[in-house]
Amino acid sequence: DADVTQTPRNRITKTGKRIMLECSQTKGHDRMYWYRQDPGLGLRLIYYSFDVKDINKGEISDGYSVSRQAQAKFSLSLESAIPNQTALYFCATSEPGSNNEQFFGPGTRLTVL
Amino acid sequence: KNEVEQSPQNLTAQEGEFITINCSYSVGISALHWLQQHPGGGIVSLFMLSSGKKKHGRLIATINIQEKHSSLHITASHPRDSAVYICAVLRSGSRLTFGEGTQLTVNP
Repeated sequence: DADVTQTPRNRITKTGKRIMLECSQTKGHDRMYWYRQDPGLGLRLIYYSFDVKDINKGEISDGYSVSRQAQAKFSLSLESAIPNQTALYFCATSEPGSNNEQFFGPGTRLTVL
Repeated sequence: KNEVEQSPQNLTAQEGEFITINCSYSVGISALHWLQQHPGGGIVSLFMLSSGKKKHGRLIATINIQEKHSSLHITASHPRDSAVYICAVLRSGSRLTFGEGTQLTVNP
């Protein structure tokens, strides 16, 4: 079984809808991240959490919110989806002191029409 | 200018060729990562470097901290090496900054 899982793997939705992407991990890591990937651009950080009580904005947090329900779960929400949020979304985990080696989920392909 | 620049953006090679992908960065870092993204989208970590050189199978990664440059080499390339290779640097605050990636295609 995969150590970092994401659901759903693919989602097509309409402008204005609320969407939640979920991430679960069995690695026991404290740190979790949400990234988006767009063609021609590198991965960009949306939000990150260093433990259950810690939530931090990344470089592109506008239009997104997150919830760290437990050490193993980190959800990303789009409150009112818009077409330019169409992208591939990745969740990742890491441990402190590991030079931030990150372990990625399989990705969620989101299309907003 | 991006803080992390990779070259080339696209690379096509014949099976068996020696391949080099370059990464230059403009900020102070504590470590550099090389990642591989498979055609299906999954991302795996290949190397983590803070100095010198590391080797794993046919893959070799080097870093020159003074010149702010790293290279990823693939010896005896194979079609299964076809993927996007991503360089990422670790700065203060434990956050990674990523390059745009290099799309490698190895033809049989």
